[in-house]
Amino acid sequence: DVKVTQSSRYLVKRTGEKVFLECVQDMDHENMFWYRQDPGLGLRLIYFSYDVKMKEKGDIPEGYSVSREKKERFSLILESASTNQTSMYLCASNSAPGYIQYFGAGTRLSVL
Amino acid sequence: AQTVTQSQPEMSVQEAETVTLSCTYDTSESDYYLFWYKQPPSRQMILVIRQEAYKQQNATENRFSVNFQKAAKSFSLKISDSQLGDAAMYFCAYTPSGNFGNEKLTFGTGTRLTIIP
Repeated sequence: DVKVTQSSRYLVKRTGEKVFLECVQDMDHENMFWYRQDPGLGLRLIYFSYDVKMKEKGDIPEGYSVSREKKERFSLILESASTNQTSMYLCASNSAPGYIQYFGAGTRLSVL
Repeated sequence: AQTVTQSQPEMSVQEAETVTLSCTYDTSESDYYLFWYKQPPSRQMILVIRQEAYKQQNATENRFSVNFQKAAKSFSLKISDSQLGDAAMYFCAYTPSGNFGNEKLTFGTGTRLTIIP
């Protein structure tokens, strides 16, 4: 079975802190994604990566950056967390466009 | 830009009955993929069903089937013989086919399905 693992289920941070959300997949997938999920807004794409060290902005990249140094790991970075970044963050991966995306369990981030 | 619309924020159905969740989308592409994903209360999102736009036959997975109307840009999900385990948030999603730059999914806002025992 494909496994996408997010390092934390719940995270509480303070305004201005630098926050790292980690995601690891075990299926040698080319593509990895970070989404933000908010009630009434569905899932919105923050960034995606189609190869090591490659990244593309999604629909809401402002305030976020990403890092993909190894194929299996995709990190989301909040350089200076703000309260409006309190949300559920979901990581996903797939092998090619149009193929199933496999999701992690999510990280619920609260910024106080 | 592509958009996906789910007009039913919440729905409920009696156990063992049938329910249909609606989804419409807007695109100028002729070839694309459509998905229904399920997110149970434990939050791990899983695929329910996938449809390729160039295939006229509606996809089916056990109790789950779709009604894909390409001209109307409609992609509804029918759940037959509803079970308590079907209670979840359901998301419709779209991605164009093709290569580089077309990998992203566009999601609808979701429909929360409640199963009444």
